[in-house]
Amino acid sequence: AQSVSQHNHHVILSEAASLELGCNYSYGGTVNLFWYVQYPGQHLQLLLKYFSGDPLVKGIKGFEAEFIKSKFSFNLRKPSVQWSDTAEYFCAVTAGTWNTDKLIFGTGTRLQVFP
Amino acid sequence: DVKVTQSSRYLVKRTGEKVFLECVQDMDHENMFWYRQDPGLGLRLIYFSYDVKMKEKGDIPEGYSVSREKKERFSLILESASTNQTSMYLCASSFGTGNLEVPYEQYFGPGTRLTVT
Repeated sequence: AQSVSQHNHHVILSEAASLELGCNYSYGGTVNLFWYVQYPGQHLQLLLKYFSGDPLVKGIKGFEAEFIKSKFSFNLRKPSVQWSDTAEYFCAVTAGTWNTDKLIFGTGTRLQVFP
Repeated sequence: DVKVTQSSRYLVKRTGEKVFLECVQDMDHENMFWYRQDPGLGLRLIYFSYDVKMKEKGDIPEGYSVSREKKERFSLILESASTNQTSMYLCASSFGTGNLEVPYEQYFGPGTRLTVT
């Protein structure tokens, strides 16, 4: 069965520090990958997604992620975090080529950014 | 803007009660989902519906049932609430992919924090 691993459960950074959150998935076939963000008290919302093409995808609020097929990874990055980036971040992957309606989510990474 | 609304933000119920959680979306999406979100466990799919009256079990369907009588509305039912069902429940919706391999984005509601005492 497909699975998604987020090894960083809790990350604490100061403003202006660089961020990289890890995401690894288990499926060997074609995948579609997502990062969602949940700000405190708000809805889960899409940050960015990868379907095909350029493996470096850019999302909202200066975030980007790189799909590295050989490493089964889709790490999220931001060169300089802000206090407003404090949130929980979830990586997700579709459940297989012929079952693209459903997503499998990782356990999430809680990011705290201090001024 | 897509809007997914959930009937309650907070709910407190007693063990053994029947609980209904309602979700409504306004974008004519084919797919609707119910997840539960627990610290350290991420989001886990309870049930999924890809059309009216159609449903599919997710990863943790035990103790839950669902109903989708209208396209815009998807209900989650706890037949007899138990304390281990205390959680945050998230509803989401998306367009159906049909034969496409490219999935559509899921849009989430604000969540219902259910406490069962």
